[in-house]
Amino acid sequence: AQSVTQPDIHITVSEGASLELRCNYSYGATPYLFWYVQSPGQGLQLLLKYFSGDTLVQGIKGFEAEFKRSQSSFNLRKPSVHWSDAAEYFCAVGPPSYGKLTFGQGTILTVHP
Amino acid sequence: NAGVTQTPKFQVLKTGQSMTLQCAQDMNHEYMSWYRQDPGMGLRLIHYSVGAGITDQGEVPNGYNVSRSTTEDFPLRLLSAAPSQTSVYFCASSSATGAYGYTFGSGTRLTVV
Repeated sequence: AQSVTQPDIHITVSEGASLELRCNYSYGATPYLFWYVQSPGQGLQLLLKYFSGDTLVQGIKGFEAEFKRSQSSFNLRKPSVHWSDAAEYFCAVGPPSYGKLTFGQGTILTVHP
Repeated sequence: NAGVTQTPKFQVLKTGQSMTLQCAQDMNHEYMSWYRQDPGMGLRLIHYSVGAGITDQGEVPNGYNVSRSTTEDFPLRLLSAAPSQTSVYFCASSSATGAYGYTFGSGTRLTVV
């Protein structure tokens, strides 16, 4: 069975500081990995995805993620956080399009001025 | 391009009532799915469809029915609403290649009293 763990429920950073959100997954085949962001009262927006190839993936809004097969991890990073990055972030694993995504519990990001 | 449209945005039901959450996509995506979001639990898959006339159960299907008579529409039916079905519901779609990941609707917030 596939599963995703986001160990940090809530992270607080200062504006301009670097950010890393952790994601560990369990998947029986080649994993397809996603990071989504959700602003309050909104739907989910895709930040980036990993299907294959280069293990460092660039996404929108200056985010990147690194796939590490040996650690079963897909951590999200941003070198300098902006106040507008405050939101909830979800890591997900599943087939690329079959409709069966498994999500982590989410990490709420608070940004202090 | 509207993407994935969900209606209604908010709904209050009494226990035992039935209702249908609507989901429509205009991207000609083959795959569609329904998730529910509850605090601290991420998103959980309710039902999904790989094409018109084909549906299957996800992780939490009890109390919900779906059908897919057209490529564009994927309604979710609550047969007899219960307080445990109070949640935010998201519909998502993706193409067969998954090239653009999953596209999510803006959600329906349902309260069962």
